[in-house]
Amino acid sequence: AQSVSQHNHHVILSEAASLELGCNYSYGGTVNLFWYVQYPGQHLQLLLKYFSGDPLVKGIKGFEAEFIKSKFSFNLRKPSVQWSDTAEYFCAVPRGNNRLAFGKGNQVVVIP
Amino acid sequence: GAVVSQHPSRVICKSGTSVKIECRSLDFQATTMFWYRQFPKQSLMLMATSNEGSKATYEQGVEKDKFLINHASLTLSTLTVTSAHPEDSSFYICSAPPPGGVTDTQYFGPGTRLTVL
Repeated sequence: AQSVSQHNHHVILSEAASLELGCNYSYGGTVNLFWYVQYPGQHLQLLLKYFSGDPLVKGIKGFEAEFIKSKFSFNLRKPSVQWSDTAEYFCAVPRGNNRLAFGKGNQVVVIP
Repeated sequence: GAVVSQHPSRVICKSGTSVKIECRSLDFQATTMFWYRQFPKQSLMLMATSNEGSKATYEQGVEKDKFLINHASLTLSTLTVTSAHPEDSSFYICSAPPPGGVTDTQYFGPGTRLTVL
């Protein structure tokens, strides 16, 4: 079954710093990949997704992710973070029948 | 966008009691809903798929007699933690895909924090 792994569970950085969160997936066939975000006290919501086409995917709030098949990676990036980007970020991959498998998440804290 | 609600948002109970958590799709019908649990600093783990009008499908290692799921209508699924113990303390999250939607349009509830004393 497909799965994803995330590293560096806690990330602390200052405003205007660049952010990159790693996500590696386990399956080598057709891959759909997602990044979800959970702001403090809020629902999980979709940040961006990759199904096919351009491997550089643009999401909401200035986030982007690049699908690199040769590296089995789908890293999330933002060139300049804001305090409001403090949240938990989850990489996810479908498991069939509308189910999702999530990574362990990255807790990101942006210091003003 | 579509909204999924959960009730209660937080519950504290004594060991041995049962706790019911509701998941509702507020502006769309959901023939399928999903229940996840999340331990601190860990991933969301899928527990089961709730199917309207039929039995839930449980993931491997999840006790179906412990975690009773009932999908009573197209907008409501309930998760009952029976004879709860402290190790059941966790954050329980439900999600639902809108009809005809693909996986990426799943909508998540805000979660229910269960603490078993």
